[in-house]
Amino acid sequence: DQQVKQNSPSLSVQEGRISILNCDYTNSMFDYFLWYKKYPAEGPTFLISISSIKDKNEDGRFTVFLNKSAKHLSLHIVPSQPGDSAVYFCAAWNSGNTPLVFGKGTRLSVIA
Amino acid sequence: DAGITQSPRHKVTETGTPVTLRCHQTENHRYMYWYRQDPGHGLRLIHYSYGVKDTDKGEVSDGYSVSRSKTEDFLLTLESATSSQTSVYFCAIRESSMGNSPLHFGNGTRLTVT
Repeated sequence: DQQVKQNSPSLSVQEGRISILNCDYTNSMFDYFLWYKKYPAEGPTFLISISSIKDKNEDGRFTVFLNKSAKHLSLHIVPSQPGDSAVYFCAAWNSGNTPLVFGKGTRLSVIA
Repeated sequence: DAGITQSPRHKVTETGTPVTLRCHQTENHRYMYWYRQDPGHGLRLIHYSYGVKDTDKGEVSDGYSVSRSKTEDFLLTLESATSSQTSVYFCAIRESSMGNSPLHFGNGTRLTVT
């Protein structure tokens, strides 16, 4: 049973437009959600997180939105740049000693 | 890279041989993790450690063992490598158990079992 789901394996966006990456989860005990970006031949890099007590967190071009009732979160990138082309992983945990659970990732391609 | 070194970066080995992957950190973080990344599966947790000599299993721990005798080193051992263990292995560290304390990853070890 997959607790964190990223249903879109890939997404293509034009440079300068908005990229929206989606993530759904099933475990209502999750209280923190994180997004990671991964380039080929490198490890995942932490991007942004959100606590379950918030519905929005913003950091520069990146904003994460959380809809607890729908068990859904999304990452918005505005404006998208070619350097944003990467695989994006959604992850979640019940903070404490429980491990971080990852989705399968969405490959974002930003076209110049 | 948050002070994380994985070695080796690439390894090719034969089925049935033992393999040890090393993760070394310079951040003195308490928590360390081993994940594997496979196409169609994302990142899956193999084992993790919450202190020296304190380890626990993740969702895909069969065929793997770990050891942590020092804070800075976390070893992953494949006792008898199989082709299904061909993967990219990532080590990660974490400073605290607080929810807003993210994992930081190394650059991975690509393992091929022939």
